[in-house]
Amino acid sequence: GESVGLHLPTLSVQEGDNSIINCAYSNSASDYFIWYKQESGKGPQFIIDIRSNMDKRQGQRVTVLLNKTVKHLSLQIAATQPGDSAVYFCAEKWRGSQGNLIFGKGTKLSVKP
Amino acid sequence: EAGVAQSPRYKIIEKRQSVAFWCNPISGHATLYWYQQILGQGPKLLIQFQNNGVVDDSQLPKDRFSAERLKGVDSTLKIQPAKLEDSAVYLCASSLAPGHAGNTIYFGEGSWLTVV
Repeated sequence: GESVGLHLPTLSVQEGDNSIINCAYSNSASDYFIWYKQESGKGPQFIIDIRSNMDKRQGQRVTVLLNKTVKHLSLQIAATQPGDSAVYFCAEKWRGSQGNLIFGKGTKLSVKP
Repeated sequence: EAGVAQSPRYKIIEKRQSVAFWCNPISGHATLYWYQQILGQGPKLLIQFQNNGVVDDSQLPKDRFSAERLKGVDSTLKIQPAKLEDSAVYLCASSLAPGHAGNTIYFGEGSWLTVV
């Protein structure tokens, strides 16, 4: 994927608002997608996943939407909290691969109190 | 349940020196991954093990990087000699089986390498 170096896309939201983080994935043959949250100084933390035969999946305060037609994935966070501030990565697994995840550009989410 | 353990957390070395990172995956996880994450980018796979065998090392710079998982549990990643561009976070991850749906890949906190 394209390297963005230090210039991550950023999203700034007010505490309590809903957040939508978008991701364009690369391979139409991908069959599995995951969203990870990475806080400063920590490793990526699993949030939610979705298989390619689904369009939507909900978790606690999070929803992932998959649009295979335009190869687009989104993560919706309801009632965003300061603890949600982090960099969010989408990742895809290519069908037939050995399970390796291909990570997209991250998006930095900042929550204003 | 204990997570993926990595050490050391931080390391500063001079270029051309060597460094080794250790990883202990989640108990029972057959698949172990080493990823490299350069500042501001997403993680990139270096090598994937299934038990003690290498599944994918196509992106591992084999002239300077090596990794092993001799007993199918913990793993070591070595860099020798290090270059300035190796400055990154080295993330170890594990899953029950190759990461398809239902077999989540869990990451450790990472080992932060600075090459000066």
